[in-house]
Amino acid sequence: EVQLVQSGAEVKKSGESLKISCKASGYSFTTYWIGWVRQMPGKGLEWMGIIYPGDSDTRYSPSFQGQVTISADKSITTAYLRWNSLKASDTAMYYCARGAVAGTFSVFDIWGQGTMVTVSS
Amino acid sequence: EIVLTQSPGTLSLSPGERATLSCRASQSVRSNYLGWYQQKPGQAPRLLIYGASSRATGIPDRFSGSGSGTDFTLTISRLEPEDFAVYYCQQYGSSPWTFGQGTKVEIK
Repeated sequence: EVQLVQSGAEVKKSGESLKISCKASGYSFTTYWIGWVRQMPGKGLEWMGIIYPGDSDTRYSPSFQGQVTISADKSITTAYLRWNSLKASDTAMYYCARGAVAGTFSVFDIWGQGTMVTVSS
Repeated sequence: EIVLTQSPGTLSLSPGERATLSCRASQSVRSNYLGWYQQKPGQAPRLLIYGASSRATGIPDRFSGSGSGTDFTLTISRLEPEDFAVYYCQQYGSSPWTFGQGTKVEIK
């Protein structure tokens, strides 16, 4: 079964660092793009960026460039989203999702269950 | 960046009725790379439509997508109780990929 399993909910303070994970299984991890999507409380979906684990090619939305770092570890088929210094406005649900077609940009067909990040000031 | 504008914001309908959701892009979507997702409370989004009009695996045929260029539509032919949810369009033809703000389909 193809699935993405995300790490658990986090509660942090402003200024702290954080790295959340997305463990992939059931498919060839290195040949499908994986993206990250933010959903602030009661709001819509925002595309943050994507990574191609095969060569670590990474693209960011301008809104998130410099604010987060997306990475992947092929050896353990896991993608990551990292913050160096959290802000209260980073409080949101974060989803990882897989591109539907190997090797090319496409819609997201498989989604993780989401990781809730709460940042207190 | 392509901005996607969905309308209406909320659609109040009864089970069995037809739902028509609109997604308009600020510029032409390359190769009609436009998808639709459904999201229910407390759940991750689910892919419904890709390439503007192709149904994803396992999606009932009451869901259909149409359109090209800058104007796209998601139609639910006869609403079932489980279809009441929020729907998002997304373009993946140009980086950064972007989502619309969503249309909520609620029970009238």
